[in-house]
Amino acid sequence: DTEVTQTPKHLVMGMTNKKSLKCEQHMGHRAMYWYKQKAKKPPELMFVYSYEKLSINESVPSRFSPECPNSSLLNLHLHALQPEDSALYLCASSQVDSRGTEAFFGQGTRLTVV
Amino acid sequence: GNSVTQMEGPVTLSEEAFLTINCTYTATGYPSLFWYVQYPGEGLQLLLKATKADDKGSNKGFEATYRKETTSFHLEKGSVQVSDSAVYFCALKGDKLIFGTGTRLQVFP
Repeated sequence: DTEVTQTPKHLVMGMTNKKSLKCEQHMGHRAMYWYKQKAKKPPELMFVYSYEKLSINESVPSRFSPECPNSSLLNLHLHALQPEDSALYLCASSQVDSRGTEAFFGQGTRLTVV
Repeated sequence: GNSVTQMEGPVTLSEEAFLTINCTYTATGYPSLFWYVQYPGEGLQLLLKATKADDKGSNKGFEATYRKETTSFHLEKGSVQVSDSAVYFCALKGDKLIFGTGTRLQVFP
């Protein structure tokens, strides 16, 4: 099983809503990632979890709150978002090492903030 | 810091034409290099990878060679198909996985 599963596939939320994005993998990977991708742009790294602990936060606004409850799950909690936060949010996972192994990506959640 | 530069797109080709998408990188240390492909409305799929100098990654007719002397990892395919139409991202992994800007490939029958 080389799948990373993200739910929901699409999400529309108002600026006062609270919602969560979910990501699951069963490949035994201990590194998990959130990326944000705007239209016609490359993915931009937001957060990295290594062994269920936050290891990298790329200066992401606090309205995005990641959580890694166990080695298979990764959540992204959303609160008080702005329309400019509308994007494709991608989850990925990989083995933990310095550089050599590839990351596997989910299909993404397309978020629209209204 | 590390960075990846890709050629501007779109690249427009007829079916069975030869494809080259250029990718160069700047990095400290010895990063691994990847090509990912993104079809419309989907996530990223790994196409191929190379982990050290002179390694050649290959998959589905695509190839790329890790050239340390020219800091390049150009993607090539001898005969493209309409189904290859997608966005191709060159990526580098040191302490983080970072992407080039992406190159859109359009293949026409």
